Amino acid sequence: DQQVKQNSPSLSVQEGRISILNCDYTNSMFDYFLWYKKYPAEGPTFLISISSIKDKNEDGRFTVFLNKSAKHLSLHIVPSQPGDSAVYFCAASGAGGSYIPTFGRGTSLIVHP
Amino acid sequence: DGGITQSPKYLFRKEGQNVTLSCEQNLNHDAMYWYRQDPGQGLRLIYYSQIVNDFQKGDIAEGYSVSREKKESFPLTVTSAQKNPTAFYLCASSASPGQPQHFGDGTRLSIL
Repeated sequence: DQQVKQNSPSLSVQEGRISILNCDYTNSMFDYFLWYKKYPAEGPTFLISISSIKDKNEDGRFTVFLNKSAKHLSLHIVPSQPGDSAVYFCAASGAGGSYIPTFGRGTSLIVHP
Repeated sequence: DGGITQSPKYLFRKEGQNVTLSCEQNLNHDAMYWYRQDPGQGLRLIYYSQIVNDFQKGDIAEGYSVSREKKESFPLTVTSAQKNPTAFYLCASSASPGQPQHFGDGTRLSIL
């Protein structure tokens, strides 16, 4: 049973526009959420995180929004660049006192020049 | 330059053989992890270790074994009991279990 879901396997966006990647979770005990970015044949790299006490966290072109009542978070990339083309994984932790993250299946973002 | 090194990048195993994947980190991190990634799947946790000489099973530990004799090293053995070992294996570390993880570049294991 997937506790962290990324329902869109892929997303295609034009360079300069906004990319919005979505993530839903089922366990209301999760209290820390992370986004990782992965290029082919490389390991994921940490991008941005948010604690459940916040509803927004921003780092340059990347902003994560958290809607606890909907158990939903999203990653916004503005403006999108071709170098942003990668697989993005959402992860959540904190349920049951465990801080080992549970990962979603990832969304492949393609940014067209 | 600090980071995590996984070796080899590609590994081939014959049926019935055990094979060990190496993971070394020089980040002075206490926690280390092994994940498996299959096509279209997320990262599934195999084993993790929060401290030297201690480790716990993750969600898919059957057919795998680990050791943590040194802080820097967390090797994973894929045993012959693992019926479907072909996958991309990722090692990660973090300063503590609640901190973001740093990943190696992975080892792709294939069965001959």
